[in-house]
Order: sequence, then structure tokens, then C-alpha cells
Amino acid sequence: GQQLNQSPQSMFIQEGEDVSMNCTSSSIFNTWLWYKQEPGEGPVLLIALYKAGELTSNGRLTAQFGITRKDSFLNISASIPSDVGIYFCAGRGGSEKLVFGKGTKLTVNP
Amino acid sequence: EAGVAQSPRYKIIEKRQSVAFWCNPISGHATLYWYQQILGQGPKLLIQFQNNGVVDDSQLPKDRFSAERLKGVDSTLKIQPAKLEDSAVYLCASSLEAGGANEQFFGPGTRLTVL
Repeated sequence: GQQLNQSPQSMFIQEGEDVSMNCTSSSIFNTWLWYKQEPGEGPVLLIALYKAGELTSNGRLTAQFGITRKDSFLNISASIPSDVGIYFCAGRGGSEKLVFGKGTKLTVNP
Repeated sequence: EAGVAQSPRYKIIEKRQSVAFWCNPISGHATLYWYQQILGQGPKLLIQFQNNGVVDDSQLPKDRFSAERLKGVDSTLKIQPAKLEDSAVYLCASSLEAGGANEQFFGPGTRLTVL
């Protein structure tokens, strides 16, 4: 079945630093999504990407849909303490089923 | 607009017992999903409903898990009997329709601990 490799697994950064995380897939996806999950809550959608090469921003967050359709990255600029959480990539291929990565746990030191 | 509601938020049971989770999707959302999220992993789809019909239950362990959405609104997910490896957060999500740009909105989840 489809698998997503998300890296890094965890990150420890200082407030104000930029962050970058990425996902790669063994197969082609038609949609890439990035979610954030905080303790005790469900994932919240941050950015949705629907076309290869698409670059989309949401405030300090920027994500791109890779040209090969097998990868995506998420950047967070000028991190703040409330950026703490687990970030998940998710992809959707021909089956329409959403496949999630294992997450990147972000810790921001003030 | 109210989000996806789930109850209970936490449940602790012993192995071989039964448990049920309830989900109320966002009003008007035709598609409902149940996911299992094991600690340290991303959510894994268990079952997808379109209105009251099952679209995909290929990853549902049907020998012990069952789900229904009888009136096309609320849904329940049941585990009978539970095993230790069923300890996880069970997330419900809903979307207006399936696929396309109809993205999923998640509830807070039910954290199940099987002892």
C-alpha cells in the first residue's frame, strides 16, 4: 500500500528560528495536505495543495507540492511558542483515501 | 459552526470487554470517517461512510470492529472484544463530500486504554 516517509521525526528549535519538514511518497499523489495536532485534540488542516508545483502560504506557513507528485514540504518562518505540536503530512491518490505520515514533533524554546 | 463532536473523550477497559464510541459530524457533511491513531503514528483510516452507506472498510478488523451510521448523521464505532493492541485514539472526521477539495475536519478523539 501507499506509504509516506515524513522527516524529521522531531525538532527542537529556538523561538524565532525557521523550520522545514518534508514528506516523500512511494507513489504519486493528487493532493497533499498538512495538519497540526496538539495534545488531546484532533488534527487541524493548515494547508491544502492540489497541483504539482503549487506553492501556498498561510501566514508564516508555506508548503509546496513537489513536481514529481511524490513529495511535499512545509516551512514555518519565525517560529513562536504556540507553533508547538505534531505536524502531519497527508496524501491522497487515485483511491481518494487519505494516507498520513508519522508526524514531526516540534518543540519551540522561548 | 459547531465542529465534529465525539464522546466519550477517554475510556479505560480491560481486554475482552466491549466499548463503543459516538460521533456527531458537522451539520450537512455527507461523508464520515473513523480513524485509529496509535501513539507515535499518524491516523489510519478504519471506515468511510457516504451518508449511511459504507464506501471503504478495507482496513477495519471486522472480526472485532463494527461501525454504523443508520440515519446518515451520527455514527458509532464498536470494539468487541477489545485487545491490548486496540489502545489508541479513535478520531472521527467529516467532509461535505468525498475527495476533491472537500477536506476533512476532525473531532477531538476518544482515547482508549485497554488493560
